[in-house]
Amino acid sequence: AQKVTQAQTEISVVEKEDVTLDCVYETRDTTYYLFWYKQPPSGELVFLIRRNSFDEQNEISGRYSWNFQKSTSSFNFTITASQVVDSAVYFCALSEALGYSTLTFGKGTMLLVSP
Amino acid sequence: GAVVSQHPSRVICKSGTSVKIECRSLDFQATTMFWYRQFPKQSLMLMATSNEGSKATYEQGVEKDKFLINHASLTLSTLTVTSAHPEDSSFYICSALDRDNQPQHFGDGTRLSIL
Repeated sequence: AQKVTQAQTEISVVEKEDVTLDCVYETRDTTYYLFWYKQPPSGELVFLIRRNSFDEQNEISGRYSWNFQKSTSSFNFTITASQVVDSAVYFCALSEALGYSTLTFGKGTMLLVSP
Repeated sequence: GAVVSQHPSRVICKSGTSVKIECRSLDFQATTMFWYRQFPKQSLMLMATSNEGSKATYEQGVEKDKFLINHASLTLSTLTVTSAHPEDSSFYICSALDRDNQPQHFGDGTRLSIL
């Protein structure tokens, strides 16, 4: 069975601080996808990144960066110089590599960025 | 990018009413769509997987007679909450796969409130 653990329920930071959201996963599949989604207060889910299990390179996109470490089954997400607009719930998710596979979500981490 | 439209965004109705929620892929054909339910401050829980032209696959514990899913075309899936009761009040969100390729693209969700 697949499982995604986001141990941090809520994180509060002050604007311009860096923050890392942790994600640990469990799967028996050798090939899988990992995702991060952002859910602002308005409710919609915004896709941030997909990572294939064969690609362990870290990725940077603007202020966002992701650290994928297969050895520790972790896929952590760092926001550099956080902004108030980053306040949202962030979900880490896992699926089998087959396209039509379902997503297993973590419980989410609520990030509050205060001015 | 792939766009998924979900309608209505908010519904408030009396107990015993049946409510239909539509999920449309606007610029791609979605052979597979998913329906999720999210209670306040909780994660997304998959309710069912909907494949065009066939019966939906429901997750354990989800009543198929209560939550009717129809996926009659490659761009439209509907979820009908039949004889809704206050405990059905929740945030319902759909997603779609473009030719079964990840990532899932999410609609903006429907906030259902049963009085």
